[in-house]
Formats: sequence, C-alpha cells, structure tokens
Amino acid sequence: EIVMTQSPATLSVSPGERATLSCRASQSVSNNVAWYQQKPGQAPRLLIYGASTRATGIPARFSGTGAGTEFTLTISSLQSEDFAVYHCHQNNNWPWTFGQGTKVEIK
Amino acid sequence: EVQLVESGGGLVQPGGSLRLSCAASGFTLSSFSMHWVRQAPGKGLEYVAAISYNGGTTYYADSVEGRFTISRDNSRNTLYLQMGSLRAEDMAVYYCARVGVNSAFDYWGQGTLVTVSS
Repeated sequence: EIVMTQSPATLSVSPGERATLSCRASQSVSNNVAWYQQKPGQAPRLLIYGASTRATGIPARFSGTGAGTEFTLTISSLQSEDFAVYHCHQNNNWPWTFGQGTKVEIK
Repeated sequence: EVQLVESGGGLVQPGGSLRLSCAASGFTLSSFSMHWVRQAPGKGLEYVAAISYNGGTTYYADSVEGRFTISRDNSRNTLYLQMGSLRAEDMAVYYCARVGVNSAFDYWGQGTLVTVSS
C-alpha cells in the first residue's frame, strides 16, 4: 500500500499570506494525485486533480504541482474561507490512499 | 445538480450489522464508479470499498474485506454498503463519493455516522 505523508500537520498562516502544503508518496504515483478541502462538519471538496488541474469552480489562488513522489498545494493568498483541513489522495495504485491531512489555521 | 445523500447510519452493537444507502440524483449513476470512504472522529480519510459502473468489479480495504459488501442498483440510482461483524474501529462517518475526471472523487455525500458501541 502506498503511504501518503503530508507536512506539516498544522500550518499557521495570516490572512493574505501564502500557504504551501506538501504531500510525499512512498513510491511513484505519476501525476495521479488529488487534493481536497474539508471544513468542520462538511464533506471533502475536490480542489485539484491530476496533480495540477483545478476542479470546476475552484479559485485560481489554489494551485498544485508535482509528479512522482513529491506534490505541493499552494494557496497564494489565504482568504478567511480557506482555513480548513487539506487532504492529498493518490489514485494511481490500489488501494487508493489518503494523507493524514494538513490543518491550515489562522495565525 | 449532482447530489449524493447517504442514510442508514446509527448506533449498533459490536458484532452487529448495518446497511448504508447512498441515493444519487442529477446524473446517470450507471456511468460512474463509486466508492465508500470513511473518517473516524478526528482522523483522516480512509478508503473502504469501490464498485465499477456496472457492479462487475469490487474492491475492498483489507480492514473490511470479508465483513463489508458494496453493491449498487443503477435502476434505483442507489449505492449500498452492507456492513457486518462491526467493530469499535469501524466507528466513523461514512461518505459515498463519485469517481469523476482523472479518477478523483468529484462529488461527495454529506456522510452518515456509524457508532459501534455496547
């Protein structure tokens, strides 16, 4: 099973600042990584698929990069609604697996 | 509008059974693979089971293999998860999710809580 390791576990950022979240796969997953945003009491929401393609309706301040084993989600200028937990997910090998999540909190 | 609505969660004793349902609307269920994903309280997301668009292929996480069964009724636009021999570690919010473009989960239900306790 491929292990997805996210870092940091918690990221404290001020509104308007940039946030950079990392996700590392235990073996290559090509570009088959997605990122989801989850707010308390809500279901996850798809942000990025194919490592770098924004899902429908996702603002341009969200961007994804990476391939192989190293992936990054960047939020260029944090808005109040962006404080949430972010999950990475590999859909390259069965079983599909998720990272443990990064919580982005207000500094 | 695409909607997925789970139901069937609740309190069950260890060793008991429960059947979850996920009602789909706003799209043709028979065109999409579907998954169940769960989230234990305060924890991350965990893949549970998957089923192909026509039900011909299923996959299970090792942790539920032999105890859970995923199925679908495309004529009723409904996905199911039959859960048996439930354990404390199965306690979680269970989400159904649609596999969309590039194999990402593009739509999720709101989740249904399964509590396993005596």
